[in-house]
Amino acid sequence: GESVGLHLPTLSVQEGDNSIINCAYSNSASDYFIWYKQESGKGPQFIIDIRSNMDKRQGQRVTVLLNKTVKHLSLQIAATQPGDSAVYFCAEMENRDDKIIFGKGTRLHILP
Amino acid sequence: DAGVTQSPTHLIKTRGQHVTLRCSPISGHKSVSWYQQVLGQGPQFIFQYYEKEERGRGNFPDRFSARQFPNYSSELNVNALLLGDSALYLCASSRTSGGMTQYFGPGTRLTVL
Repeated sequence: GESVGLHLPTLSVQEGDNSIINCAYSNSASDYFIWYKQESGKGPQFIIDIRSNMDKRQGQRVTVLLNKTVKHLSLQIAATQPGDSAVYFCAEMENRDDKIIFGKGTRLHILP
Repeated sequence: DAGVTQSPTHLIKTRGQHVTLRCSPISGHKSVSWYQQVLGQGPQFIFQYYEKEERGRGNFPDRFSARQFPNYSSELNVNALLLGDSALYLCASSRTSGGMTQYFGPGTRLTVL
């Protein structure tokens, strides 16, 4: 069935290092992929997205990579800061509808 | 510009009661979607409305209903509340329908006792 999953439930990274959060998806029909950041007690915050016709997209300190061959998505955060501590969700959607399918999330811990 | 707003922030109800949650989308956005997020899990899609019409529905019982008003704001109604309905209810808006970026509000924390 359709699902979006994350490989690690928790990731600890030293402040200043780069973080890489991985995600696997199973729906071949998904056209659109999004990374959301959710801090405690808040709603998911849009970070970056990528369409299926691309394999890489960069934002401010963040990069998303898409490998459609192995159905893999990753989020790279450069120079991780304490404010990056949160749960990160990868999500997928088909262009024909608006149903976002979320994974379980990865909690990112920043070590001092 | 204001983001998606939701009210109330928190709500406590008892089993069997009903609840109405409200959402105002980002100005200019015509599509509103509702999600339920149980503690420790990712959000689950409940409904999507665009131009006051239901465009999508997730795997939720008929106790859940929603509507969208001419100003594009939306209400989510849940009848005959169960303990398992305790969750964070999130509203997201997008400019139009069909594969558009959705921006989320802060959510309404519903506790059913």
